[in-house]
Amino acid sequence: DSGVTQTPKHLITATGQRVTLRCSPRSGDLSVYWYQQSLDQGLQFLIQYYNGEERAKGNILERFSAQQFPDLHSELNLSSLELGDSALYFCASSAVIGGPNTGELFFGEGSRLTVL
Amino acid sequence: AQKITQTQPGMFVQEKEAVTLDCTYDTSDPSYGLFWYKQPSSGEMIFLIYQGSYDQQNATEGRYSLNFQKARKSANLVISASQLGDSAMYFCAMRERNSGNTPLVFGKGTRLSVIA
Repeated sequence: DSGVTQTPKHLITATGQRVTLRCSPRSGDLSVYWYQQSLDQGLQFLIQYYNGEERAKGNILERFSAQQFPDLHSELNLSSLELGDSALYFCASSAVIGGPNTGELFFGEGSRLTVL
Repeated sequence: AQKITQTQPGMFVQEKEAVTLDCTYDTSDPSYGLFWYKQPSSGEMIFLIYQGSYDQQNATEGRYSLNFQKARKSANLVISASQLGDSAMYFCAMRERNSGNTPLVFGKGTRLSVIA
């Protein structure tokens, strides 16, 4: 158990709809990252938040948005969904790098989104 | 330009044998970190091993070792004494500017199959 919690684990919806994926990072981790993994693909970085502020942006579509709340949980909002948005969406968190901490990302189990 | 290249889409190895999974990277940043993750069929991402660009020795974690060749920009994962449970996707990843919490960039992965 990585300590990162993602809900829902599975989600099936129709094209044009909007969904929200939720992530609770490990206790004490300030950074939250969102990644998308399409079928048989590597992980594509979407966006990172650090202590409530957007820190880095990757290949995130304009139809997608995210935020991190004061309690450090994060939500990824996906709107106007298309068939190609079907993927496994991972949330990860990391501690501040320093000392013996190598800054690895701890991943949740992912939210599998299917758009029909 | 692709920052992480994993040239082996799939690999087979006999149980109890050693196997090397290739990873090359591209960066002009002198400070970076290299990571390997395992993704079993269940989907979770499991951190295996880390190598910092300034580390003098190759990293080892149990049956996993990282063959770090800085001049060649390669960071191959060596798994010794393969087990059936090692069958999974393996991803190489890099973080640039290793002093801060920045996202990891992942390769496309190598699917390892261990044969009894």
